[in-house]
Amino acid sequence: EPEVTQTPSHQVTQMGQEVILRCVPISNHLYFYWYRQILGQKVEFLVSFYNNEISEKSEIFDDQFSVERPDGSNFTLKIRSTKLEDSAMYFCASSEWAGLTSYGYTFGSGTRLTVV
Amino acid sequence: LAKTTQPISMDSYEGQEVNITCSHNNIATNDYITWYQQFPSQGPRFIIQGYKTKVTNEVASLFIPADRKSSTLSLPRVSLSDTAVYYCLVGAWNQGGKLIFGQGTELSVKP
Repeated sequence: EPEVTQTPSHQVTQMGQEVILRCVPISNHLYFYWYRQILGQKVEFLVSFYNNEISEKSEIFDDQFSVERPDGSNFTLKIRSTKLEDSAMYFCASSEWAGLTSYGYTFGSGTRLTVV
Repeated sequence: LAKTTQPISMDSYEGQEVNITCSHNNIATNDYITWYQQFPSQGPRFIIQGYKTKVTNEVASLFIPADRKSSTLSLPRVSLSDTAVYYCLVGAWNQGGKLIFGQGTELSVKP
């Protein structure tokens, strides 16, 4: 079964540092997403990406965040200057199309970001 | 996107059938109902999706009454490994594809 791969699985960074979280979506998928989940809280939408541009972003996704698809396989989330409250699990997801599929959206296993 | 309401938690025992009901009174004509499962420290995993009546796959069944204002996820003969959080989502997802997760139902399966 195809998987969405995320690296690293766990990253510890100092407050104010830049971090880049990496994802390899499923190869024939066209839509890419980032979500985050603060410990004990809901899964929250951050951003969706299609055709090399952002389709939609939440209010969480402010100027400190950016996404990029630098090549044909990777999808990255950058946080420019991390804050303590950015500590969370970050999930990448992909889908064949932004609609209804038999298989839904495929999520990766996540990157646990800890800001100290 | 329609608001959903589901129980915060449920307990069950191995081998039992578990039914988790989700209310979505404001569901729109174009909306579908989708259920996801999430284990601790893992990403959500798609379980099943439907529009009306009944849908069944190798993992679960989804029952949707004619008015579509609720839906029931049915897990046959649960095992300890079915302990997870189950999310009910409602939406059309044809313009941007954003999924909105609620708090979900934390299912605990006991031996």
